[in-house]
Amino acid sequence: EVQLVQSGAEVKKPGESLKISCKGSGYSFTSYWIGWVRQMPGKGLEWMGIIYPGDSDTRYSPSFQGQVTISADKSISTAYLQWSSLKASDTAMYYCAKQTSIAAAGRSNDAFDIWGQGTMVTVSS
Amino acid sequence: DIQMTQSPSSLSASVGDRVTITCRASQSISSYLNWYQQKPGKAPKLLIYAASSLQSGVPSRFSGSGSGTDFTLTISSLQPEDFATYYCQQSYSTPDSAFGPGTKVDIK
Repeated sequence: EVQLVQSGAEVKKPGESLKISCKGSGYSFTSYWIGWVRQMPGKGLEWMGIIYPGDSDTRYSPSFQGQVTISADKSISTAYLQWSSLKASDTAMYYCAKQTSIAAAGRSNDAFDIWGQGTMVTVSS
Repeated sequence: DIQMTQSPSSLSASVGDRVTITCRASQSISSYLNWYQQKPGKAPKLLIYAASSLQSGVPSRFSGSGSGTDFTLTISSLQPEDFATYYCQQSYSTPDSAFGPGTKVDIK
């Protein structure tokens, strides 16, 4: 079974650092992009960035560039999202998702077909 | 960057109703458009990819259409389990991407 399993909920204080994880199984981890998506309480989905574990090629949304770091350790099939100094506004649910290229009408379309269960991060003094 | 908008932001409907949600891109994205469904407390689920292709296991009452900048998600006969929030996502600039702001479908 293809799945992504994320690390557990975190409660942190402003200014602290944090690294959350997303472990893939049941597929070739190095062959698919893994994306990170933020969902603030009661709000919509925000695309944060994406990494290709095969060569660590990483892209960020302009909104998140410089605010977080996305990385991956292909030896243990795990992607990471990290903060060096958390703010209260980082309080949110964070999802990782596997991006698959799906053929349709003679072209390849990328979509997030498998999602992790989410990691709730709460930042409060 | 490509910006996505959706309308309406929310709607109320009854079981059996036909529901239509619109998504618009700030520039042409051909058919590189996906739709997701999210229920409260759950991760999103892929419904439709490439604007009109149904993901495996998704009921046929869901359909998608459109190309260029304007897209539509239609639920032909709303079922109780369809009350959720729906998001579009452009994959034209892959691996970079963006979601729409979402449309919440609730019970009238």
